[in-house]
Amino acid sequence: DGGITQSPKYLFRKEGQNVTLSCEQNLNHDAMYWYRQDPGQGLRLIYYSQIVNDFQKGDIAEGYSVSREKKESFPLTVTSAQKNPTAFYLCASSMGTGYNEQFFGPGTRLTVL
Amino acid sequence: LAKTTQPISMDSYEGQEVNITCSHNNIATNDYITWYQQFPSQGPRFIIQGYKTKVTNEVASLFIPADRKSSTLSLPRVSLSDTAVYYCLVGETNAGKSTFGDGTTLTVKP
Repeated sequence: DGGITQSPKYLFRKEGQNVTLSCEQNLNHDAMYWYRQDPGQGLRLIYYSQIVNDFQKGDIAEGYSVSREKKESFPLTVTSAQKNPTAFYLCASSMGTGYNEQFFGPGTRLTVL
Repeated sequence: LAKTTQPISMDSYEGQEVNITCSHNNIATNDYITWYQQFPSQGPRFIIQGYKTKVTNEVASLFIPADRKSSTLSLPRVSLSDTAVYYCLVGETNAGKSTFGDGTTLTVKP
């Protein structure tokens, strides 16, 4: 089956710790994205990557870092510099450039204690 | 970035047609309009996309007037399972040039 996987579904961390969220896709998509969603709100773009070894900041990149060493993988690190990291994190991918449909993973709910 | 405005919430009853309108006054010439559906604790799912006039697929229709400053998502004969948040996006998503906004929460009642 083709799709996007995110792991884990739920993640708990202590304040001050860095944590990495996994995102893998086997759709052969060039572009990948990370979004953050807070309760009752829409999605906000953290980072996106249009091609391997290249990525761009979205609207709320502060306190986050990413890498894109492989086409299939786009991990997101939530660093201790992110002031309010507790949120629902969604990864997505799409073909090439332009107006193509984004396919989303199931999400990771991060809770920082 | 093309800013979009949608109603915060809408209520409907099973079997009715629901129309959700999105305003996008500063849409660019090359921009497409895309609608997504999101259920709680899940990622959004693509519903439909269009550039002008009318687009229809197996789940919805999208109406876009000639000036393209707004669009209307039409859901025929909704059921309880259509209760979700609906997002209107305008712009080139692959270049990080469109935003999801807060969407419209549709509640379908029996």
